Amino acid sequence: DGGITQSPKYLFRKEGQNVTLSCEQNLNHDAMYWYRQDPGQGLRLIYYSQIVNDFQKGDIAEGYSVSREKKESFPLTVTSAQKNPTAFYLCASSYSGGFQETQYFGPGTRLLVL
Amino acid sequence: AQSVTQLDSHVSVSEGTPVLLRCNYSSSYSPSLFWYVQHPNKGLQLLLKYTSAATLVKGINGFEAEFKKSETSFHLTKPSAHMSDAAEYFCVVSLHYGGSQGNLIFGKGTKLSVKP
Repeated sequence: DGGITQSPKYLFRKEGQNVTLSCEQNLNHDAMYWYRQDPGQGLRLIYYSQIVNDFQKGDIAEGYSVSREKKESFPLTVTSAQKNPTAFYLCASSYSGGFQETQYFGPGTRLLVL
Repeated sequence: AQSVTQLDSHVSVSEGTPVLLRCNYSSSYSPSLFWYVQHPNKGLQLLLKYTSAATLVKGINGFEAEFKKSETSFHLTKPSAHMSDAAEYFCVVSLHYGGSQGNLIFGKGTKLSVKP
């Protein structure tokens, strides 16, 4: 089955701790994205990558970092600099990143602060 | 600047009655428009998309949307609601800088409740 997997489903972060959210896709898509979802806010773009070894900041990149060493993988690190990390994080991918491309979403990771 | 407004944060219908979820957009270019559905604690699933072909777009699960340029609207409809339609729905416009990058702008969502 082709698709996008995110792990873990739930993640807990302590004060001052960095945590990494995993996103893997086997759709052979070039472009991948990370979004943050807060209640009543819709989704906001954190980072995106159109190709391996390249990525760009989205609207709310502060306190986050990413890497794109492999086409299939786009992990997101929530650093201690992100002061309000509690949210639902969604990863997506699309074939080429063009403006008419459909983005396909993973099941999400809910991050909670202890 | 591109933006999208979902006019209702919550819509409640009875099972078997029509569904109307309203969306208006603002775009300097010919937009690509999408409707996604999200069930609780799940990812988003594409319902349908408009990319400058037919203005009436049919999607999955009996949903359809009509692109009306004069009204800058892309309302989502379904003739008869089912209990399984209860979810949150997002209207989305794709940014188009004249180049290739397709970043999405999401509306704030409409929660659909379906009463038996």
